Amino acid sequence: GESVGLHLPTLSVQEGDNSIINCAYSNSASDYFIWYKQESGKGPQFIIDIRSNMDKRQGQRVTVLLNKTVKHLSLQIAATQPGDSAVYFCAENSRMDTGRRALTFGSGTRLQVQP
Amino acid sequence: NAGVTQTPKFQVLKTGQSMTLQCAQDMNHNSMYWYRQDPGMGLRLIYYSASEGTTDKGEVPNGYNVSRLNKREFSLRLESAAPSQTSVYFCASTRRQGQTNEKLFFGSGTQLSVL
Repeated sequence: GESVGLHLPTLSVQEGDNSIINCAYSNSASDYFIWYKQESGKGPQFIIDIRSNMDKRQGQRVTVLLNKTVKHLSLQIAATQPGDSAVYFCAENSRMDTGRRALTFGSGTRLQVQP
Repeated sequence: NAGVTQTPKFQVLKTGQSMTLQCAQDMNHNSMYWYRQDPGMGLRLIYYSASEGTTDKGEVPNGYNVSRLNKREFSLRLESAAPSQTSVYFCASTRRQGQTNEKLFFGSGTQLSVL
């Protein structure tokens, strides 16, 4: 889930298990959400997105669930592999003070896959 | 296609020195962004450019300036570096800012240390 400060929450799973990474978002008016994966020393990479008029979206081995009632987003990874080890961020599309929209990011969850 | 290219990858500055971080994208995207990422935290928006000729402040603009040189290039300048600006800087682009399904594409980052 989300955290503030220097220490990322860490999820440790066995290779082959399913992983669930959670995210609480802040703005009830946000209408678009993205999950990014960031490997060490690299920039974030897009994984999957979902609009607020949906509550579930599936990709290849990944599923995103959206619960607008409690402002909660989750990423499910099926049959987790060592290559899935990374930091995962959720992002919400929010309106800024300028009136323009921009993505704002959560603090991330580190996924460690044990062989 | 290279996507989003940032230079340099690493930089060490002394307090008070100035430098410019360069970013270029070859995807014909209209909107470009600069984020900073501190240890254990998500990405925070410094400045963005919705289109060529426009720039706007993000969440943490103090101590930075930007220039949208043309559609491809968006630079970030530190006029007088401070230790608090030690961070990893990411440039990103998207086809068009302000759309609901705004999907950012990131560069690989610049690791900056200010001593």
